[in-house]
Amino acid sequence: KQEVTQIPAALSVPEGENLVLNCSFTDSAIYNLQWFRQDPGKGLTSLLLIQSSQREQTSGRLNASLDKSSGRSTLYIAASQPGDSATYLCAVKLTGGGNKLTFGTGTQLKVEL
Amino acid sequence: DVKVTQSSRYLVKRTGEKVFLECVQDMDHENMFWYRQDPGLGLRLIYFSYDVKMKEKGDIPEGYSVSREKKERFSLILESASTNQTSMYLCASSLWDRTATDTQYFGPGTRLTVL
Repeated sequence: KQEVTQIPAALSVPEGENLVLNCSFTDSAIYNLQWFRQDPGKGLTSLLLIQSSQREQTSGRLNASLDKSSGRSTLYIAASQPGDSATYLCAVKLTGGGNKLTFGTGTQLKVEL
Repeated sequence: DVKVTQSSRYLVKRTGEKVFLECVQDMDHENMFWYRQDPGLGLRLIYFSYDVKMKEKGDIPEGYSVSREKKERFSLILESASTNQTSMYLCASSLWDRTATDTQYFGPGTRLTVL
């Protein structure tokens, strides 16, 4: 059974700092991996999706990498801003797993002024 | 613009009540999903549907049922609500998995409290 782990569970950084969020998964037979953002009391918004054949994806100040062989993904946020404060979740879709996603428990990020 | 709506943002029910949570999407998506989200446990899939009248159990279907009579609407039913079903419930939809880039779009969530 696929297990997805995110460390740390919570992170607090000063504004302007570059930071890395980590995601690890136990089954490397993944179809794709996604990073989502969730604001308090709200639904999830997709940030980046990396296909299994890709190594990384970039969107603005966000860069996500994928290393299937080691079962890891990182989300790099450059020049963090208070508006980046949210919970970040990674989710994997297994090859042959249909449309099901397995989610990590998330990293709660706070960017302070 | 993609839109998934859920019938209620907050709901308070009594133990033993029958509870309906409604989800509607306007994107003509084939797939629809119901998750619950609890602190420390993350999102867990309850049920999903890949077509009208079709459904499959997720990881934690016990105590829940679903209905999909129309493509755009997916309902989650708690036959007899219990306090351990107090949670945030999230609905999502997606296209059938034609490409490796199809993502799930989420509704705003329903915070259900069972007293």
